[in-house]
Amino acid sequence: EPEVTQTPSHQVTQMGQEVILRCVPISNHLYFYWYRQILGQKVEFLVSFYNNEISEKSEIFDDQFSVERPDGSNFTLKIRSTKLEDSAMYFCASTIGGHGYTFGSGTRLTVV
Amino acid sequence: KNQVEQSPQSLIILEGKNCTLQCNYTVSPFSNLRWYKQDTGRGPVSLTIMTFSENTKSNGRYTATLDADTKQSSLHITASQLSDSASYICVVGPSGGYNKLIFGAGTRLAVHP
Repeated sequence: EPEVTQTPSHQVTQMGQEVILRCVPISNHLYFYWYRQILGQKVEFLVSFYNNEISEKSEIFDDQFSVERPDGSNFTLKIRSTKLEDSAMYFCASTIGGHGYTFGSGTRLTVV
Repeated sequence: KNQVEQSPQSLIILEGKNCTLQCNYTVSPFSNLRWYKQDTGRGPVSLTIMTFSENTKSNGRYTATLDADTKQSSLHITASQLSDSASYICVVGPSGGYNKLIFGAGTRLAVHP
């Protein structure tokens, strides 16, 4: 069964550093998403991406965040200057449209 | 405000027993409701998905119900197994937009031998 692949599975970074989280969505999917889950809290929507541009973003997704689909297969989330409160599990997801949604296994980001 | 509330927060049952988890939502406009299973440190895995016109959907030992009039859903697990220990999350998809999902906080289920 097709999977959404995320790398790395765990990343530790120092406060103020830039991080890039990587995702390979399912190949024929058209919509791509990033969600995050702070430990012990709900999964929260960050951003959706369609047709090579951001289609919707949440209040969390401020100027420190950016997304890119650089080569038609990878989908990345960049955090420019990490803060302690950015520590969370970050999930990538993709869908062909409609109701089918597949999540990756997540990247655990720890900011120290 | 679009919200998804789940109860109970946590539940302990014995292996082989049945249980029912509840979900209430205030998301509008509404398109679909999903139940996901999430193991600790892993991504959510879809169990069922229902549109507003569906009342029930089964997936093996999991049966979800939906009442779009009262905005309530339940997930019934029959003959529980130790591997059912996980968080069960009710997730609502608003209509329109680009299919973003709104998550509940989940019910943490522990199945004991």
